[in-house]
Amino acid sequence: LAKTTQPISMDSYEGQEVNITCSHNNIATNDYITWYQQFPSQGPRFIIQGYKTKVTNEVASLFIPADRKSSTLSLPRVSLSDTAVYYCLVGVHGSGNTGKLIFGQGTTLQVKP
Amino acid sequence: GAGVSQSPSNKVTEKGKDVELRCDPISGHTALYWYRQSLGQGLEFLIYFQGNSAPDKSGLPSDRFSAERTGGSVSTLTIQRTQQEDSAVYLCASIPGGDLGTDTQYFGPGTRLTVL
Repeated sequence: LAKTTQPISMDSYEGQEVNITCSHNNIATNDYITWYQQFPSQGPRFIIQGYKTKVTNEVASLFIPADRKSSTLSLPRVSLSDTAVYYCLVGVHGSGNTGKLIFGQGTTLQVKP
Repeated sequence: GAGVSQSPSNKVTEKGKDVELRCDPISGHTALYWYRQSLGQGLEFLIYFQGNSAPDKSGLPSDRFSAERTGGSVSTLTIQRTQQEDSAVYLCASIPGGDLGTDTQYFGPGTRLTVL
């Protein structure tokens, strides 16, 4: 399983763009990168997933360089409600695989007014 | 549609007692995970079930912990002879398909266990 490393915490202000970078130096060819968001007293929820280059949805963008050894979650114009813990995970894609995702400690994002 | 539900939402027990935590996954989902989250920490993998395959129990911290999944649906996590270090939030996640590496995990609200 590819190990991931992310900053423990980040601070930002409302209206700013936030970029959280995750390192996954030993990512394998079939691995995908997935980000989850967890609010206090709730279970995590899926934000975005990608394999390479850029993925964008209504919540965030995910940038993955060509070597795929890192990825950056970008949150545009954050608000106070984006205060949460963000987890980066790497998992093998393929039906029937028995791999499991490992959630690390995540990045605690604190958005200030 | 209905999401993942867990019960009870809160459980306070005395050291040495047994507890059962229940997870009702999303109907039709084939895989189910149990995680534990201590205060201020990330998620710790405990066990997962995938269809009719033998569960992966590699994350269970001791033989006091066990889990079963009946009929490929409801799952129960049992902790015997609880200890104070078992205090945590226990989260269940339901996964729709067979791709554990990339399928979205749908989490329940968790059960907060406090062992006095």
